Amino acid sequence: EDKVVQSPLSLVVHEGDTVTLNCSYEVTNFRSLLWYKQEKKAPTFLFMLTSSGIEKKSGRLSSILDKKELFSILNITATQTGDSAVYLCALGGFKTIFGAGTRLFVKA
Amino acid sequence: SAVISQKPSRDICQRGTSLTIQCQVDSQVTMMFWYRQQPGQSLTLIATANQGSEATYESGFVIDKFPISRPNLTFSTLTVSNMSPEDSSIYLCSVPRTGGADYGYTFGSGTRLTVV
Repeated sequence: EDKVVQSPLSLVVHEGDTVTLNCSYEVTNFRSLLWYKQEKKAPTFLFMLTSSGIEKKSGRLSSILDKKELFSILNITATQTGDSAVYLCALGGFKTIFGAGTRLFVKA
Repeated sequence: SAVISQKPSRDICQRGTSLTIQCQVDSQVTMMFWYRQQPGQSLTLIATANQGSEATYESGFVIDKFPISRPNLTFSTLTVSNMSPEDSSIYLCSVPRTGGADYGYTFGSGTRLTVV
């Protein structure tokens, strides 16, 4: 059964810290790995990863995929209070499978 | 990517009643998806809504409890029927991003349902 496991489940940091969120997965037919940010109700898309070792960046956020070890990380540098959210990792495809998420709280 | 208007944004309902959630997309899409997110949990797919045919439900979800309509390529509704407190969740509709489901989904703004 395809599975996505995220760690840690929750994290509290101070503004300016750098955080690394982890996502490991098991899948029979890999198509893509996705990261979302969920602040209130609706997840918003961050990254899609399909190739190992190629870093995707968007401002202070970056992500990379390791298809050999079956994991991905999401890095956030110089965190701000606006980064406080639940970060979801998912396996892409017709029936997207979501992890439970990492709840990040950034203290001012 | 498509823009989805979802309503209501939130509601508090009495047990035993039903609530219909609507999603309007600003472009035509073949498939729409309905998700549920129970408190503290991740997103779980309820069903896939296709225009012109019955929705396809995931294991654990049935049409009598979650009837879905898809009258055209830009609109869908999900009804939560005979509600109980266990139905208190966030409900989300979604459509594939440009390029298809491999590229992820765009989500509606969500409906936070509380059943009392």
